[in-house]
Amino acid sequence: DMKVTQMPRYLIKRMGENVLLECGQDMSHETMYWYRQDPGLGLQLIYISYDVDSNSEGDIPKGYRVSRKKREHFSLILDSAKTNQTSVYFCASSLRGTGHEQYFGPGTRLTVL
Amino acid sequence: QQKVQQSPESLSVPEGGMASLNCTSSDRNFQYFWWYRQHSGEGPKALMSIFSDGDKKEGRFTAHLNKASLHVSLHIRDSQPSDSALYFCAASEHGTGYQNFYFGKGTSLTVIP
Repeated sequence: DMKVTQMPRYLIKRMGENVLLECGQDMSHETMYWYRQDPGLGLQLIYISYDVDSNSEGDIPKGYRVSRKKREHFSLILDSAKTNQTSVYFCASSLRGTGHEQYFGPGTRLTVL
Repeated sequence: QQKVQQSPESLSVPEGGMASLNCTSSDRNFQYFWWYRQHSGEGPKALMSIFSDGDKKEGRFTAHLNKASLHVSLHIRDSQPSDSALYFCAASEHGTGYQNFYFGKGTSLTVIP
């Protein structure tokens, strides 16, 4: 079953706390992505990972870092979360190369108070 | 600058009507185009891909691509309330070996029963 999972689905944190968002996929996809979605702004790419320990900044990497130690698992870390990082975060994966669709997870709704 | 632009931002059509969504890109390197659909509370899911000029039909959905004008459209005939969702146009480049997706900001479609 082709699936991207995300944990947790909902998270409330206080400003200054650390946040860990986790993503898994069972399709052996080489490429994985983290996006955030805010009303009216669409999907903004935070980081892209081309494989284990091969990560690249997206359009809005500031305030975020990632970790990919296994092909099937990709983490997004917020060190000292800020209120403007309140958003819905989506993980996605795809096969390497062009012409392949992305598969998205169900999202994590993060609220930073 | 947004590389993929969508119009309209929102659209309401009566049940059974035709919905037409538009997308233009500003990068002639884009060769692969997708339409993604996102229902409320879920992650985006690929609806259709189109890589060649002309029309591609899948059931009630028809995508049209004109690479010369970098224009993609999606037409939904016999619209159903279940079609109410946020629709994203996405594009990716040819020949880079790795796949970055560029998303538009989305069109919110409401089908009125």
